[in-house]
Amino acid sequence: AQRVTQPEKLLSVFKGAPVELKCNYSYSGSPELFWYVQYSRQRLQLLLRHISRESIKGFTADLNKGETSFHLKKPFAQEEDSAMYYCALRNTGNQFYFGTGTSLTVIP
Amino acid sequence: GAGVSQSPSNKVTEKGKDVELRCDPISGHTALYWYRQSLGQGLEFLIYFQGNSAPDKSGLPSDRFSAERTGGSVSTLTIQRTQQEDSAVYLCASSIGTGPYNEQFFGPGTRLTVL
Repeated sequence: AQRVTQPEKLLSVFKGAPVELKCNYSYSGSPELFWYVQYSRQRLQLLLRHISRESIKGFTADLNKGETSFHLKKPFAQEEDSAMYYCALRNTGNQFYFGTGTSLTVIP
Repeated sequence: GAGVSQSPSNKVTEKGKDVELRCDPISGHTALYWYRQSLGQGLEFLIYFQGNSAPDKSGLPSDRFSAERTGGSVSTLTIQRTQQEDSAVYLCASSIGTGPYNEQFFGPGTRLTVL
């Protein structure tokens, strides 16, 4: 069965500090992993996906198949990064499985 | 262009009543998803429509839940005999199809409160 785990419900960091949001998954096939973000009073939107190996708004995420992890990182947090972050996995049937989310607060 | 829209934005109903939630996907998007977002539970997959294929209903929590998609566009999620535990935000998303670079676009959600 597919499962996505985000162990931290809440995470607070100071502006300028590094931030890492953890995501672990379980899936027997080859996973496709995503990070979605929901800013206050806005819709849920895609932040980045592992196959693109991209950096969006300074965030990166590396898929580690050995550790079954897809942690989201940013070296210097900004106040505008405060939001709810969801890690998601897509299976071969095109179903998405989301974690419970991590609420990030960046303290000025 | 217009994004995914959902109506109503808020719905308050009494236990035992039926409710219908509507989703208008982005024009041309063949894939449509329904999710339930409960406090502390993340997003729970409910149902997935892809083109004219039979929908994937594996996420529906009970037979009180059903969904249809007419003409490959608008979708309606129906909850019969609502229970208090059905209270949640129901999100709809659409994407242009399948494939690794497909992106889901989410609607604003419908907040359902069952009294």
